[in-house]
Amino acid sequence: NAGVTQTPKFQVLKTGQSMTLQCAQDMNHEYMSWYRQDPGMGLRLIHYSVGAGITDQGEVPNGYNVSRSTTEDFPLRLLSAAPSQTSVYFCASSYTRGGGINSPLHFGNGTRLTVT
Amino acid sequence: AQRVTQPEKLLSVFKGAPVELKCNYSYSGSPELFWYVQYSRQRLQLLLRHISRESIKGFTADLNKGETSFHLKKPFAQEEDSAMYYCALALGSARQLTFGSGTQLTVLP
Repeated sequence: NAGVTQTPKFQVLKTGQSMTLQCAQDMNHEYMSWYRQDPGMGLRLIHYSVGAGITDQGEVPNGYNVSRSTTEDFPLRLLSAAPSQTSVYFCASSYTRGGGINSPLHFGNGTRLTVT
Repeated sequence: AQRVTQPEKLLSVFKGAPVELKCNYSYSGSPELFWYVQYSRQRLQLLLRHISRESIKGFTADLNKGETSFHLKKPFAQEEDSAMYYCALALGSARQLTFGSGTQLTVLP
């Protein structure tokens, strides 16, 4: 059971480049989300999805797009990378809703992104 | 507005000493609060949730609505407790988690 799988583990981009961070889960979880982790700021929610075809913005959505065409996959797209997007990105999923009482979040291993 | 505050970025204690990681929240309704932990080279994972009133790995956390706090405590810290700890609050229609900024706990031998 792979759980939540993120690819790539590391990525270096130049300013203005675009890329997609992949996230897949094999637990049939309805809820998926993307967080970024920055020193001193903890984890901040970028986008989330409560099911296939449904996405919504989190706390820091600017510069990122998501889609949820299948239950398993929730890719995060950086449209035009900026140095401020240098961060560690985590994908997380849960059975229902966002990690509430009966549905803890399962996290991926993270993607470390550097934008130069 | 910061909904979850963890005032200590770094906390060091000696093995066997009590440890308390502070968490304060801002929420007018009935809060759903959690502690997540990230050990070195491991994934972030749920440690405990307030509703269960459980003790995991010797840690407990009591919700104090009057002080809007959810501090994490352990009476005798162990070296393997060294990790990054995050307090989190479930918000919104999807109960998405809002995390605090985290506390890096180091238990010294």
